[in-house]
Amino acid sequence: EVQLVESGGGLVQPGGARRLSCAASGFSFSTYAMNWVRQAPGKGLEWVSYISASGGTTHYSDSVEGRFFVSRDNARNTLYLQMNTLGAEDMAIYYCARGYYGDYFPDYWGQGALVTVSS
Amino acid sequence: VMTQSPATLSVSPGERATLSCRASQSVSSNLAWYQHKPGQAPRLLIYGASTRATGVPGRFSGSGSGTEFTLTISSPQSEDFAVYYCQQYNSWLLTFGGGTKVEIK
Repeated sequence: EVQLVESGGGLVQPGGARRLSCAASGFSFSTYAMNWVRQAPGKGLEWVSYISASGGTTHYSDSVEGRFFVSRDNARNTLYLQMNTLGAEDMAIYYCARGYYGDYFPDYWGQGALVTVSS
Repeated sequence: VMTQSPATLSVSPGERATLSCRASQSVSSNLAWYQHKPGQAPRLLIYGASTRATGVPGRFSGSGSGTEFTLTISSPQSEDFAVYYCQQYNSWLLTFGGGTKVEIK
């Protein structure tokens, strides 16, 4: 069974940093691209970042480019999202999502990690 | 830009529900639909505009190509009341619609 479990959410001050993790199990992690998608309170889903299976290719939405950095450790079956210079607009539930093999759309999602930005 | 309509759809259990999604430019058949319930992980329903994902009941069907897409729930059950999102995946830059909330009338 495919499982994705996010961790690392919590309260962070404006301008602060946070690292999210996503532990994957039930599939060959190193052969799948991964994504981060977020949902701000009362809003819809917003794609944040993409990383290829090898980790050699990454992409970001304009709203986080230069502040967020995605990485993965295929030996540990773990995906990461380093978030820097956080603002109120970054407060959201962050989901990690597996990319369908050979395509871009996510097929499995985690339950999400809540990041609250407040002083 | 992906635009979904209506924002809210009130239906009675068993009454056909039709959700629309429009793309600002052609996405071919690179269109997926997701179901999202509060506190849960989003669930993939449809990809390739019309292919049901594994385990998705037959009452869910997708159609369309290019810029106009439709998700139909033929006879909604109580567990189908949720928010539904369309998403285009022409590239790694995924774009979601604003969502349609399907609620019980």
